Amino acid sequence: EVQLMESGGGLVQPGGSLRLSCAASGFLFKNFAMSWVRQAPGKGLEWVASISAGGGSTYFADSVKGRFTISRDHLQNTLFLQLSSLRAEDTALYYCAKDSGRSSGWNEFEHWGLGTLVTVSS
Amino acid sequence: EIVMTQSPATLSVSPGERATLSCRGSQSLSSNLAWYQQKPGQAPRLLIYGASTRATGIPARFSGSGSGTEFTLTISSLQSEDFAVYYCQQYNNWPLYTFGQGTKLEIK
Repeated sequence: EVQLMESGGGLVQPGGSLRLSCAASGFLFKNFAMSWVRQAPGKGLEWVASISAGGGSTYFADSVKGRFTISRDHLQNTLFLQLSSLRAEDTALYYCAKDSGRSSGWNEFEHWGLGTLVTVSS
Repeated sequence: EIVMTQSPATLSVSPGERATLSCRGSQSLSSNLAWYQQKPGQAPRLLIYGASTRATGIPARFSGSGSGTEFTLTISSLQSEDFAVYYCQQYNNWPLYTFGQGTKLEIK
C-alpha cells in the first residue's frame, strides 16, 4: 500500500525558514516523480513544486520560485521541501503527491499524503 | 500559464439525482486532465485521469468526458458520500500543473 507521510510543519515568523519532509513507502520511490501541493485555509489547491524521478529536474510555481527548493533522498525514501523567506501568504496545508507514472512524462497525482500545516505569523 | 475555470462554484443537487460539473482550460489540453474529490479534513483523491478514465476503486457512477478545452465530470446518481469539493487539474503543460478553483457539491 502506498503511504506518504508529511512532517515538519509549524509556526514560523515572516522571513523565516522551514524544512518539510514526506516519508514514502509501499512503492519504488526512486522510479516516480513527486510533487508538493498546498492549500491555504478555506481555499483551493495550488501546485508548488515537482521533482523528477531521478532528482535531476526541478520545477516551481512562480509564487515560490527562488524561495523554495525541492529535493529527494533515495536512501531514506523521503521527499523534502525547503521553505525560506516565508510570507504570510505561504500559510497553508502542504501535501506531497506521487506521480502516477502512467507515461514517461509528468502525470496526474495518484496518491497524496495527509499534509502538514505551515503557519507564517509574527 | 494555463488557467483552469470550473463552473459552477457551488452546485446543489438532491441525492439520487445527476450532477454535472464543468471545467474549461484557457488552452487546449488534449486529454491531459484529471478530476479530484476532496472531503472536509481529507486529502484530495484521484477520481478521473486522461479526461475519462476512472482511477482504481472509483465507482462507475463517476464519469469524465471532453477534450481540448472543455471537460465534464458527471456523477450519475448522487450518494451521500459524494457531497464534497471537486477539482480539475491540467497536466498537459507539465510540469507546470494548474488546478481549477473547485466546485462544491452540496445537498439540496
